[in-house]
Amino acid sequence: EPEVTQTPSHQVTQMGQEVILRCVPISNHLYFYWYRQILGQKVEFLVSFYNNEISEKSEIFDDQFSVERPDGSNFTLKIRSTKLEDSAMYFCASSENAEQFFGPGTRLTVL
Amino acid sequence: EDQVTQSPEALRLQEGESSSLNCSYTVSGLRGLFWYRQDPGKGPEFLFTLYSAGEEKEKERLKATLTKKESFLHITAPKPEDSATYLCAVQAPRNTDKLIFGTGTRLQVFP
Repeated sequence: EPEVTQTPSHQVTQMGQEVILRCVPISNHLYFYWYRQILGQKVEFLVSFYNNEISEKSEIFDDQFSVERPDGSNFTLKIRSTKLEDSAMYFCASSENAEQFFGPGTRLTVL
Repeated sequence: EDQVTQSPEALRLQEGESSSLNCSYTVSGLRGLFWYRQDPGKGPEFLFTLYSAGEEKEKERLKATLTKKESFLHITAPKPEDSATYLCAVQAPRNTDKLIFGTGTRLQVFP
């Protein structure tokens, strides 16, 4: 069964460093998303991406964040200068219709 | 403001003891309501989509129902492997695909 994959599973970084989280969406899906979940809190929407451009972003998704689809299979989230409060699980999701299918997540720890 | 509230926060059941989880929502013009299962440290796993009041979906021991203000996830004769956090999410109207999640119900089923 097709699934969304994410790498790395765990990323530890120093405050102020740049990180890139990678995702491979399900191959025939056209809509891509990033969500995050701070420990013990709700899953929160960050950004949606369609047709090689951002279709919607939340207030969380400020100038420190960017997304890219560098080739036909990968979808990346970059955080330019990480802050302590960026520590969270980051989930990539993809969809063909209404249902969004999530990857296993990347746990980002900012020290 | 669009909101999703889930109750109870936590539920402990004996194996075979049926129960229901509640998801109340306030959305102006619901496009879809989604149920996901989340295991510790993993991404949300899609279960059901409901679109209109009166709709029901079933999968093994789970049945999801929808009214104009809330959704229920009924668990019939649960087994220990049903232990997980169950998340409810709504898709807001108009030109947005983002999911708005509740905080989830943490279900523990004891043998």
